[in-house]
Amino acid sequence: AQTVTQSQPEMSVQEAETVTLSCTYDTSENNYYLFWYKQPPSRQMILVIRQEAYKQQNATENRFSVNFQKAAKSFSLKISDSQLGDTAMYFCAFMKQERFRTAGNKLTFGGGTRVLVKP
Amino acid sequence: DTGVSQDPRHKITKRGQNVTFRCDPISEHNRLYWYRQTLGQGPEFLTYFQNEAQLEKSRLLSDRFSAERPKGSFSTLEIQRTEQGDSAMYLCASSPRLSPYNEQFFGPGTRLTVL
Repeated sequence: AQTVTQSQPEMSVQEAETVTLSCTYDTSENNYYLFWYKQPPSRQMILVIRQEAYKQQNATENRFSVNFQKAAKSFSLKISDSQLGDTAMYFCAFMKQERFRTAGNKLTFGGGTRVLVKP
Repeated sequence: DTGVSQDPRHKITKRGQNVTFRCDPISEHNRLYWYRQTLGQGPEFLTYFQNEAQLEKSRLLSDRFSAERPKGSFSTLEIQRTEQGDSAMYLCASSPRLSPYNEQFFGPGTRLTVL
């Protein structure tokens, strides 16, 4: 079974500053995907960024980037130029790469980090 | 709006009552997932459908819980004889047939409060 740990329950950052969220995971799998999801207050969860484990290059999506360290099983998220709309819960998630078409590819989530962007 | 929808958004019930939630996935998404999220925690997987077939169930899904997806479209999650520990947000997600990493699109959730 996989586990995902987010050690920072809450972080605050000034608008326009940078914040880094940490995530570690434990798995015996070699092929998998990692995700960061954002859950704004009272709104639905949306995908921020994903990383395929077989790719060495770190994923980047606009102001969001990751630092993926496969050997260390670490997957941190950096939010640059923070905006007020970035205020949300952020969840790190793991998905095993299934070989069978009927496999579910369920997500295993960490406990979340609440990010508050201050004006 | 063509996203995942869930109904109701909020449900308050008394202990021992039965409740049913509905999820409408994005059109043509053949995979559908249910997750449960308790306050301050990350979502936990409950069950998964591919088309109308329920292919995986978590041990979290006790025999009081049942999920269906008739005709491979919308899905329902029923909880019988609710307990206070069932209070949580119930999230539904869907993913398309051919996505290589099965990106899951989440609905707004149904918040259940058991008194």
